[in-house]
Order: sequence, then C-alpha cells, then structure tokens
Amino acid sequence: AQSVTQLGSHVSVSEGALVLLRCNYSSSVPPYLFWYVQYPNQGLQLLLKYTTGATLVKGINGFEAEFKKSETSFHLTKPSAHMSDAAEYFCAVSDKNTDKLIFGTGTRLQVFP
Amino acid sequence: EPEVTQTPSHQVTQMGQEVILRCVPISNHLYFYWYRQILGQKVEFLVSFYNNEISEKSEIFDDQFSVERPDGSNFTLKIRSTKLEDSAMYFCASSVKGEQYFGPGTRLTVT
Repeated sequence: AQSVTQLGSHVSVSEGALVLLRCNYSSSVPPYLFWYVQYPNQGLQLLLKYTTGATLVKGINGFEAEFKKSETSFHLTKPSAHMSDAAEYFCAVSDKNTDKLIFGTGTRLQVFP
Repeated sequence: EPEVTQTPSHQVTQMGQEVILRCVPISNHLYFYWYRQILGQKVEFLVSFYNNEISEKSEIFDDQFSVERPDGSNFTLKIRSTKLEDSAMYFCASSVKGEQYFGPGTRLTVT
C-alpha cells in the first residue's frame, strides 16, 4: 500500500529565506508524486508533479521538487519565501495503476516579515 | 480559467438525515472524484467515477454513500443516514486524465 509522510506539521521562515518542506513516500511500484497548496477557504491547487523523466520538477510560484528514489523523498523547495506563500502544503502519491491520490497530513507554512 | 465549484459551502445536518453534496466539474473533464478531510486529519480518497460508473472506492465509501452524475454537469455525493463521524470537509475533483482539479470544498457538520 502507498503512504506519504510529511515531517513537520508547521514550518516558519522569514521572508526571503529558503523554504524546505519534507515529503517521504512508500510505494511498491514506481510512484507519481504531487505537491498541492491550499490557501484559506480554497480548494487544493497543484503546484507540481513528477511522473517520469527528469527528477527535478519545476512548478508554479517558483517552487521545485526533486524525486530521489534512493531516499524515497520528494521534498519541496523555494529559494526565497514570499509572504504570499503562507498556506497549507500537501504531498500526495499515486501510480500508473490508479487515479486515487494518497495524501500526507500537510505542512502549514508561515512566512514572517 | 475554468474551475470546479461545490455547493453548499457549509451544510449543517442532524444525525440520521440524508445529505447531498453537489459539485460542478470542469466541463470537458471525464474523471470525477470525492475526497474528505476530517478536521486535523489528512485528505482521504473516497471514490472515483468514470463513464457513469464507480471505478474505484475506498473502505470508507460504504453502503451509506452513493455518487451520481444526474445530468451533463453535476456530480453529487449522497450520504444516506449521516453519523457524527461524517463531519468533515468534502472535496470534489475532476480531471481529463492525470492532473486533478479540486473544488473549494463543502464543510459538513453533523449534530
């Protein structure tokens, strides 16, 4: 069975600092990996996804993530945080055999001026 | 930009009552999903729907739940007899194939 672990339910950074949100997955087949962002009172918006090919994936709003099979990780990074990045971030996994997304518990990102 | 919409945004119901949560997926999408998030917990898959039938469902999706696409635009989730533990945020999503687009959710409160 697939699963996702997000280390750190809350992460706080200063504006301009590096953002690092951690995600580790478990999957018996090659995974498809996703990062979603949720702003208050809104739905989940896809930031980026990895299915096959290049392991460094670039997404919207300057975010990127790297698929590391040896570490079963898909950490999300952004070089310089902006106040508007404050939101809840969810990592999710699926695979070629299923559409259903298995989500992590989420990480709330706070950005301080 | 097209988006998934859900109504109502908040539904309060009494235990044992039936509720119908409504979703309007993006118009050219073919795959439809329901997820839920109990307060403080992770988002959980409930069901996927394609070509007018359920393609996959989780163990949460028992006989109390049903889904329907009654016309060309709506996708509904019905809970036949609500329990206190059904209180959650329910998200609808749709896709062509691949990226799932999520609605803003319906917060269901069962009292």
